[in-house]
Amino acid sequence: AQSVTQLGSHVSVSEGALVLLRCNYSSSVPPYLFWYVQYPNQGLQLLLKYTSAATLVKGINGFEAEFKKSETSFHLTKPSAHMSDAAEYFCAVIEQGGSEKLVFGKGTKLTVNP
Amino acid sequence: SAVISQKPSRDICQRGTSLTIQCQVDSQVTMMFWYRQQPGQSLTLIATANQGSEATYESGFVIDKFPISRPNLTFSTLTVSNMSPEDSSIYLCSVVGDRRSEAFFGQGTRLTVV
Repeated sequence: AQSVTQLGSHVSVSEGALVLLRCNYSSSVPPYLFWYVQYPNQGLQLLLKYTSAATLVKGINGFEAEFKKSETSFHLTKPSAHMSDAAEYFCAVIEQGGSEKLVFGKGTKLTVNP
Repeated sequence: SAVISQKPSRDICQRGTSLTIQCQVDSQVTMMFWYRQQPGQSLTLIATANQGSEATYESGFVIDKFPISRPNLTFSTLTVSNMSPEDSSIYLCSVVGDRRSEAFFGQGTRLTVV
């Protein structure tokens, strides 16, 4: 079954520092990959997605992610963290074939320190 | 895209009772998905609801506890039965768009069991 692993349940960075949130998927066939953000007591918001087009994907709020098939990874980055980036981030995957179901990683809570 | 109307948005229920959550989609979809997000946790798939057949439940979830109906291609319900405080969570329904390029979510039902 398809699965997603997010390394690091908590990541803490200083304001202005690089943000790197890690996501690895398990499938041998590249799936569709997504990053979602959830602010406290709010719903999910789609940051960006990879759907077999460009491997470097740019999303909202200055985030981007690079799909690396050789590493089965889809890490999320942002060059300079802002206080408003503090939130929970979820990586998720849909298989290209088979079930349509969206499977989520366990999430990474990002803290931004002043 | 798809617009999903989910209700109720929140409820406080007594233990031992049941709550039925409804989701209405503005277009016909083959599969609808039900998720649970426990406090501080990621989204966990409960089941996939297919029109005209029984729902497919994920490991750890059973039909007696979470019966699902799918009477047509635009509507589904999830019932949380014989509730206990451990069922306090946000429940979300979801559909996947064309070519699996995006998932759409209802607003969520915030359930508190007392």
